Amino acid sequence: SAVISQKPSRDICQRGTSLTIQCQVDSQVTMMFWYRQQPGQSLTLIATANQGSEATYESGFVIDKFPISRPNLTFSTLTVSNMSPEDSSIYLCSVVEGEDYGYTFGSGTRLTVV
Amino acid sequence: GENVEQHPSTLSVQEGDSAVIKCTYSDSASNYFPWYKQELGKRPQLIIDIRSNVGEKKDQRIAVTLNKTAKHFSLHITETQPEDSAVYFCAASSDQAGTALIFGKGTTLSVSS
Repeated sequence: SAVISQKPSRDICQRGTSLTIQCQVDSQVTMMFWYRQQPGQSLTLIATANQGSEATYESGFVIDKFPISRPNLTFSTLTVSNMSPEDSSIYLCSVVEGEDYGYTFGSGTRLTVV
Repeated sequence: GENVEQHPSTLSVQEGDSAVIKCTYSDSASNYFPWYKQELGKRPQLIIDIRSNVGEKKDQRIAVTLNKTAKHFSLHITETQPEDSAVYFCAASSDQAGTALIFGKGTTLSVSS
């Protein structure tokens, strides 16, 4: 299965600033997904990133707040913009591979906004 | 879009007992149903999955059953051990390539010895 390198693993940021999270996959994948996991909660899908096109955002998430880049089939970034303490969460990327569509998750980025 | 409901939110059992977690889904096009275990501070780990062409799948102490007509699937853990204590998430996705998993809200399982 694919191996995902996600960076940074954690960060503490000042409110009003932005943080860019990177996910690098060791194989080419068509789709990458970004999730948010708030403390004690489940995983909520933020957006689906397809190479060469704009990301598709779920209800409640907007591009201005969570811009996503997908420059090639092995890499994607998620930016959390103009952060507030409510953005403190774990952010995870995920990919699905092949016809078996097994899903793999990155190790997550634990973001704390102060 | 898909909506996945999961029950119970917390489950406490004695070591050696069985644990059952149930999920329902809304999108009849969904046909892939994985279960994830998440330990504190770690990423979700796939423990078992089932596709719609199968009614039941078993892997040692863990089994999953699927009822497509009723749109529900369940995780069964037998002979529970303290190391089974974790948060368990069910999820669903459709057959379409590149469809994201939609997760249930999770079940915190506590196994006491």
